[in-house]
Amino acid sequence: DIQMTQSPSSLSASVGDRVTITCRASQSISSYLNWYQQKPGKAPKLLIYAASSLQSGVPSRFSGSGSGTDFTLTISSLQPEDFATYYCQQSYSTLPFTFGPGTKVDIK
Amino acid sequence: QVQLQESGPGLVKPSQTLSLTCTVSGGSISSGSYYWSWIRQPAGKGLEWIGRIYTSGSTNYNPSLKSRVTISVDTSKNQFSLKLSSVTAADTAVYYCARLVGSSWYGYYFDYWGQGTLVTVSS
Repeated sequence: DIQMTQSPSSLSASVGDRVTITCRASQSISSYLNWYQQKPGKAPKLLIYAASSLQSGVPSRFSGSGSGTDFTLTISSLQPEDFATYYCQQSYSTLPFTFGPGTKVDIK
Repeated sequence: QVQLQESGPGLVKPSQTLSLTCTVSGGSISSGSYYWSWIRQPAGKGLEWIGRIYTSGSTNYNPSLKSRVTISVDTSKNQFSLKLSSVTAADTAVYYCARLVGSSWYGYYFDYWGQGTLVTVSS
């Protein structure tokens, strides 16, 4: 299986901050990397697919970049509704799909 | 707007079979080139992909669960289902159904999710 790691595991930030979350794959996954946001008690919500494509309806303050093994999710100006846990997920050709362990973003 | 809703028992005894159904509304489960998936999340932990099914009935499972998992589809009811046999306390989790969309060009991602249902394995 392809292993996914995320850093940091948690962070504290203020409204308006620029936030960057990193995801690393145990082998090259090209650009087959997706990002999800999950709030407590809710299902994950797709933010970014194919490393950098913004899902319809997702605010433009969210952006993704990277390819190969290293990827980044950036929130350009953190909003109150962005406090949540963020997960990356790879969909490279070899199953199973795997998720990162998550990064919790909370209020400083 | 596609919506998914999980249903099934919230409590299952150890060694028995967990059975859940996902009902899809707002569109036909057979339309488009979509897979339909199950994903689970133990309390306070991360997400684990269980498996997927295409409307043709073709399936793929996570090797870690493959010996115990069966996913099936009933296009006449716009539903797909999960069966997980020989459950233990380690199978206690919130179970989500989700639509999986994608291609070999940009990969596969889960764009619509159910709200999730908690299944507890306990005697």
